[in-house]
Amino acid sequence: AQSVTQLDSQVPVFEEAPVELRCNYSSSVSVYLFWYVQYPNQGLQLLLKYLSGSTLVESINGFEAEFNKSQTSFHLRKPSVHISDTAEYFCAVKGGSYIPTFGRGTSLIVHP
Amino acid sequence: EAGVTQSPTHLIKTRGQQATLRCSPISGHTSVYWYQQALGLGLQFLLWYDEGEERNRGNFPPRFSGRQFPNYSSELNVNALELEDSALYLCASSLRDEQYFGPGTRLTVT
Repeated sequence: AQSVTQLDSQVPVFEEAPVELRCNYSSSVSVYLFWYVQYPNQGLQLLLKYLSGSTLVESINGFEAEFNKSQTSFHLRKPSVHISDTAEYFCAVKGGSYIPTFGRGTSLIVHP
Repeated sequence: EAGVTQSPTHLIKTRGQQATLRCSPISGHTSVYWYQQALGLGLQFLLWYDEGEERNRGNFPPRFSGRQFPNYSSELNVNALELEDSALYLCASSLRDEQYFGPGTRLTVT
């Protein structure tokens, strides 16, 4: 069985401040990990993924996440957020099953 | 390359009716997944189709069903609609490990 816990349902932050969205997972097998972003009234877009290799993965818009096997975490970070980063962020894990499990989401709210 | 498309965008039904939602995957993708996103509950897995076969289903009653056509497009049917079926229904297609999502169908049951 696999599960994902997103520890914060909402994260408010001021523009240009750093942010970390936390994600912990559990799985009895090796995993693939994903972060998706959902803007209002849209579907989910893949932000970044960890499949293998380097534990630090980056997206094209400045987000990064680090796979930490010992702490079973895959936290998402950005050193300086913009208003346009306001969205819902979902962490997902895919282990032995072909079906990924999604967290409940973290709402990132960036204030001017 | 065209992305995953879903229709209709919005659907309003009354309790007890049936709803049909449609999804077209990215060209070349053979797997289609359906999810329900109800307020505050994240994504709940509904159904997985691959190569025309139902491969797995989530913890939903049998009145949630669907099929995948030879061109890999898919249909989700919800019978005997209940108020709590109101949600955003998302379809995703996949070739290997990543899923690509459509914009969703907002189903409202009154």
